[in-house]
Amino acid sequence: AQSVTQLDSQVPVFEEAPVELRCNYSSSVSVYLFWYVQYPNQGLQLLLKYLSGSTLVKGINGFEAEFNKSQTSFHLRKPSVHISDTAEYFCAVTPSGGYQKVTFGTGTKLQVIP
Amino acid sequence: DAGVIQSPRHEVTEMGQEVTLRCKPISGHDYLFWYRQTMMRGLELLIYFNNNVPIDDSGMPEDRFSAKMPNASFSTLKIQPSEPRDSAVYFCASRARGQNNHQKQFFGPGTRLTVL
Repeated sequence: AQSVTQLDSQVPVFEEAPVELRCNYSSSVSVYLFWYVQYPNQGLQLLLKYLSGSTLVKGINGFEAEFNKSQTSFHLRKPSVHISDTAEYFCAVTPSGGYQKVTFGTGTKLQVIP
Repeated sequence: DAGVIQSPRHEVTEMGQEVTLRCKPISGHDYLFWYRQTMMRGLELLIYFNNNVPIDDSGMPEDRFSAKMPNASFSTLKIQPSEPRDSAVYFCASRARGQNNHQKQFFGPGTRLTVL
């Protein structure tokens, strides 16, 4: 079984400042990793995903994440946030063997302060 | 494409009543997922279907919950009888087979359920 831990439930950050949202996972098998974003009153949207290859993954809206196998982490970063980035961000993991079940973290609310 | 469609968007009901949530996946997608989101437990997978067949319902909390997918374009999640602790946002998602779309799920806007 897989699990995902998002250590920070809320992250306030000033506009144009950098941000890092932390995600750690545990799994006995190799995994695929994802970050989803949920804007207020909307469903989840895929931000980026790691399947294989380069450990630095670039997503939409200027976000990127780095897969670190030794630390079992997949932290999300953005060098300069905007007000429009205010949303909840979910890290997710699934076994890479083709099984479809995706396990989500509890989410991190990013609050961008003007 | 209209995306994943869910109805109703909001539902308020009294404890003990039957609740039916509906989902129309994206045309051509052959996987359909039902999730529940609460403050306490985050986003939980309840059940998913492949080609209209339930594959894994281990996340369904109890017998009061049931889900069906009578055809490729429609699914329901039913709670009978409903309880206040069922209050949550319920999301439906669908996914297409194919390497380019591997594991990418498209989420609907959700149904916010309040059980009084």
